[in-house]
Amino acid sequence: AQKVTQAQTEISVVEKEDVTLDCVYETRDTTYYLFWYKQPPSGELVFLIRRNSFDEQNEISGRYSWNFQKSTSSFNFTITASQVVDSAVYFCALSEYNTDKLIFGTGTRLQVFP
Amino acid sequence: GAGVSQTPSNKVTEKGKYVELRCDPISGHTALYWYRQSLGQGPEFLIYFQGTGAADDSGLPNDRFFAVRPEGSVSTLKIQRTERGDSAVYLCASSLAGNTEAFFGQGTRLTVV
Repeated sequence: AQKVTQAQTEISVVEKEDVTLDCVYETRDTTYYLFWYKQPPSGELVFLIRRNSFDEQNEISGRYSWNFQKSTSSFNFTITASQVVDSAVYFCALSEYNTDKLIFGTGTRLQVFP
Repeated sequence: GAGVSQTPSNKVTEKGKYVELRCDPISGHTALYWYRQSLGQGPEFLIYFQGTGAADDSGLPNDRFFAVRPEGSVSTLKIQRTERGDSAVYLCASSLAGNTEAFFGQGTRLTVV
């Protein structure tokens, strides 16, 4: 069965702190895709990253970085030097190769205080 | 428009009524998805279209829910005999192909009273 777990319901940090959002997934497939989306207060989900199961190389994009570890079925997301504009709900999602649908976690609400 | 457009943005209806929610995907995107998001939860998959056909409708909760995409572009999600439990934000997304970056609309907030 497919499942995505985001154990952290809410995280609060002060601006400029680094913060890591955890994501653990379950799947029986060997080919799958992992995603992170940001949902600001406006409600629209914004795509951040897509990773396929064969690419375990970590990725960095500006202040954002992702750590994909198949051995622990985790795909964690780190924001470096957080800013108030990073405040949002962040969703991790899984898609198996032959299904095309996204299975979302319950999300982590990040609040960054000035 | 550049993004996925959903109308209406808000819909209040009485229990038992019929509603239609519309989604205009990004031009050229062959894949279209409907999700439902309840308060405090992640989006939950409803149905996926590849072109005009429903490739996967396994997420539709029951036969009161139906969706169409007759010309492979605009899609309509139809809910018959609405119930209070149908209240949620209905999200539409489109992508160039399956398993690629999906672009989401702002959603339709449905409230059944």
